[in-house]
Amino acid sequence: GQNIDQPTEMTATEGAIVQINCTYQTSGFNGLFWYQQHAGEAPTFLSYNVLDGLEEKGRFSSFLSRSKGYSYLLLKELQMKDSASYLCAVSPGANNLFFGTGTRLTVIP
Amino acid sequence: DGGITQSPKYLFRKEGQNVTLSCEQNLNHDAMYWYRQDPGQGLRLIYYSQIVNDFQKGDIAEGYSVSREKKESFPLTVTSAQKNPTAFYLCASSVLTSGGAVEQFFGPGTRLTVL
Repeated sequence: GQNIDQPTEMTATEGAIVQINCTYQTSGFNGLFWYQQHAGEAPTFLSYNVLDGLEEKGRFSSFLSRSKGYSYLLLKELQMKDSASYLCAVSPGANNLFFGTGTRLTVIP
Repeated sequence: DGGITQSPKYLFRKEGQNVTLSCEQNLNHDAMYWYRQDPGQGLRLIYYSQIVNDFQKGDIAEGYSVSREKKESFPLTVTSAQKNPTAFYLCASSVLTSGGAVEQFFGPGTRLTVL
């Protein structure tokens, strides 16, 4: 079976750094995605990791450890517009994604 | 502009009625997907299609049906057999690969409310 765990909610202050963790157990692994979803809108792609290590893209970075079944999304210099849900998704096989329940991040002034 | 369109954005139906949600893409993607999202839950896969005239059930296909007569279109019908149809429905598409993972692109979603 497939299982992905993420915290349900997090709160952080504008300008700060926040780390959103994701642990997974899946029948296969072809890569891990992070998506951002504002309320009532479509998820949008943030990052993709298939090898261990850190991928940096501007204010956002994503880390993967395949041996631990663990990833995190790091958001730096938080802005109010970063308030959204962050979805961790694993590809257990080609062409399919399995999504976690998402972490709702609230950025406060 | 290339993208995925879903219409309508909001849809209301009476209990017991079938309703069809549309999804169109002009990204030339082979694979298309339908997800359902409920409050506090992740995206759950309803159906997916990797090629015209072929589709596969996802994790929660009961009470739903799909067709894939054209590459660009993947409509979803919510039938009266679906016990809790009120939800946010998302359509997605991706290129097809023989191995590695691929990014899925999402449409804006349709919020269905059954009264």
